[in-house]
Amino acid sequence: QKEVEQDPGPLSVPEGAIVSLNCTYSNSAFQYFMWYRQYSRKGPELLMYTYSSGNKEDGRFTAQVDKSSKYISLFIRDSQPSDSATYLCAMSRGGYQKVTFGTGTKLQVIP
Amino acid sequence: DAMVIQNPRYQVTQFGKPVTLSCSQTLNHNVMYWYQQKSSQAPKLLFHYYDKDFNNEADTPDNFQSRRPNTSFCFLDIRSPGLGDAAMYLCATSRGTSGATDTQYFGPGTRLTVL
Repeated sequence: QKEVEQDPGPLSVPEGAIVSLNCTYSNSAFQYFMWYRQYSRKGPELLMYTYSSGNKEDGRFTAQVDKSSKYISLFIRDSQPSDSATYLCAMSRGGYQKVTFGTGTKLQVIP
Repeated sequence: DAMVIQNPRYQVTQFGKPVTLSCSQTLNHNVMYWYQQKSSQAPKLLFHYYDKDFNNEADTPDNFQSRRPNTSFCFLDIRSPGLGDAAMYLCATSRGTSGATDTQYFGPGTRLTVL
C-alpha cells in the first residue's frame, strides 16, 4: 500500500464548477499537508499548506484535512480554464522532514 | 525575484553518455533537493544536501551523483544514462527549519531524453 493515494484522473469540469480533489494516506505521523499545482512541463508550485486537522481558505481555494479519516481535500470554487493543471498532494511530519507526494490529479477546466 | 533556476530546460543525451544537470537558487536556502519525476508519477526524491551534508535515499541508483560546490549551486550527474532514466528532473530548495513546515520551492525542471 502506498503511503499516499491520489486518483490520477483526468478530471474534466465546465468553467465555473466547484472542483473537489482528494488524497488518502496511511501514515498517522503526517502533520503538515500541502497542495502543489503543476502546469504541463513545469515544476510544482505550492498552493496551500495546512497543519493538522481543519480548514484553510485562500481565495477560491479551500484545503481540508481530516486526520481521523486520513483524508485531505482541495476545493476550487468558480473554476477557470487557467486552473487546468495537475494537482499534487504532499505531506510530511513537519519541520525538516521528507515530503511524500501523491501521484497527482490532472484537472481540465473546459471554457 | 528570488527563485530556483534549472539549466538546461531540455537535455538530450545518448545511452551511456554522462550528463550533468544544473540548479541554482537565489533564496539562500540551506537545503537543496533533487527529484526524478516520470510521467503521471509522484516526484521521487533522489538525494538532498543540508548545507554541505549529503543525504542519499536508500533506493537511489549509484548511477546518480550530486555535487554542491557552494550554497547557490547544486549539480546532478548521471554517469551512464539508461533509457529508464528519461524523466523530468526537479530541483527544490527549503530553509531547513526544525519547526513548523519546511516549504519546498521547485525549479521549472529539466526534461531529459535518452536516445
